[in-house]
Amino acid sequence: KAGVTQTPRYLIKTRGQQVTLSCSPISGHRSVSWYQQTPGQGLQFLFEYFSETQRNKGNFPGRFSGRQFSNSRSEMNVSTLELGDSALYLCASSLAVAGSLDEQYFGPGTRLTVT
Amino acid sequence: AQSVTQLDSHVSVSEGTPVLLRCNYSSSYSPSLFWYVQHPNKGLQLLLKYTSAATLVKGINGFEAEFKKSETSFHLTKPSAHMSDAAEYFCVVSRSGGYNKLIFGAGTRLAVHP
Repeated sequence: KAGVTQTPRYLIKTRGQQVTLSCSPISGHRSVSWYQQTPGQGLQFLFEYFSETQRNKGNFPGRFSGRQFSNSRSEMNVSTLELGDSALYLCASSLAVAGSLDEQYFGPGTRLTVT
Repeated sequence: AQSVTQLDSHVSVSEGTPVLLRCNYSSSYSPSLFWYVQHPNKGLQLLLKYTSAATLVKGINGFEAEFKKSETSFHLTKPSAHMSDAAEYFCVVSRSGGYNKLIFGAGTRLAVHP
């Protein structure tokens, strides 16, 4: 079974631009979560999508948004990029079966550099 | 509210000696606890997870962790370190019951010397 895939793997953008990152979950997984990893703040939860609906949200500004499609693939968008948005963005998927302990499987990440 | 504190930012051991990575947690709810490992330029891999069924949890690659509610700890151990264990390790807490919001500790970088 293929793992979680993220595209692109590397991205360089300029301040003020916007960016869209893509995540394809493991087949059959219905939940997709996004995390930001930086040296200063560590790993922080951005949001989670389940059945095309945002179910959980972290403490990030509205410039960070996401969506999920009917095939469970997810995208996240960052508008008006700032230098501090430079980070590794990780996507994770899980089965999200009610009542179960949901372990999340992570993709390799997208390394975003903002100049 | 939930939080995780990894007590050591760096741990250095010799190959063949035991590994201990310490983690304390705080949770208002019944917690789910995990350890993840991240090798350089690679994604996060789940090492082990805590379920309420057993307080001693065995994971992959010889790692195990013990859930101690009275001490609010979930320390990761391995009897004998291998060079390939050098990586960053994250203790993670989540709320049980399908709440897919992982709260990560700051990480412990493990170095293994020959």
